[in-house]
Amino acid sequence: SAVISQKPSRDICQRGTSLTIQCQVDSQVTMMFWYRQQPGQSLTLIATANQGSEATYESGFVIDKFPISRPNLTFSTLTVSNMSPEDSSIYLCSVLTLGYEQYFGPGTRLTVT
Amino acid sequence: GDSVTQMEGPVTLSEEAFLTINCTYTATGYPSLFWYVQYPGEGLQLLLKATKADDKGSNKGFEATYRKETTSFHLEKGSVQVSDSAVYFCALAGGTSYGKLTFGQGTILTVHP
Repeated sequence: SAVISQKPSRDICQRGTSLTIQCQVDSQVTMMFWYRQQPGQSLTLIATANQGSEATYESGFVIDKFPISRPNLTFSTLTVSNMSPEDSSIYLCSVLTLGYEQYFGPGTRLTVT
Repeated sequence: GDSVTQMEGPVTLSEEAFLTINCTYTATGYPSLFWYVQYPGEGLQLLLKATKADDKGSNKGFEATYRKETTSFHLEKGSVQVSDSAVYFCALAGGTSYGKLTFGQGTILTVHP
């Protein structure tokens, strides 16, 4: 199994600012991902965080808006840049373990005013 | 692209009632199929999965069978409990896209005593 922690758990930010979300997992994992859950909506994959290289973004998401880092096997960050109210969502970190089990973090609830 | 369609909710049942939440999918190749559950105030948890046609996933009294001919993965439980109240998400991972999940819109289940 894998236990994932995210910081912060929630935040309220002003438009035009940026927020960095941290994801820490308690064991080495093969892959790390970032998902977004907009209010009343389902989850959408933002990107795959690649260790030591640029993240792989899904259609509709770009690096300038959502820069991602993964400096080692157990840690990743997602930055939401130049925020607008449309960025208000829950952002979830997810990992795939060496045994191909997938786990989700508790999420970061972001409100942009 | 891949997509998942869940029956619209919310679903409200009395305790011990039979539950069915419909899920159909569109995907190329042979996806793996999942049901995730999100209990109030908690993170997303894997409920069950099936990785090939005719597989039946089961957990906590819930079952779902991977039906390739009808591209479906309906969730069932014979007798629901109040503690089953949660949001249920159907999801798929296409081919070798481990960890890259496409989610349905989610179904809110409320069980009354």
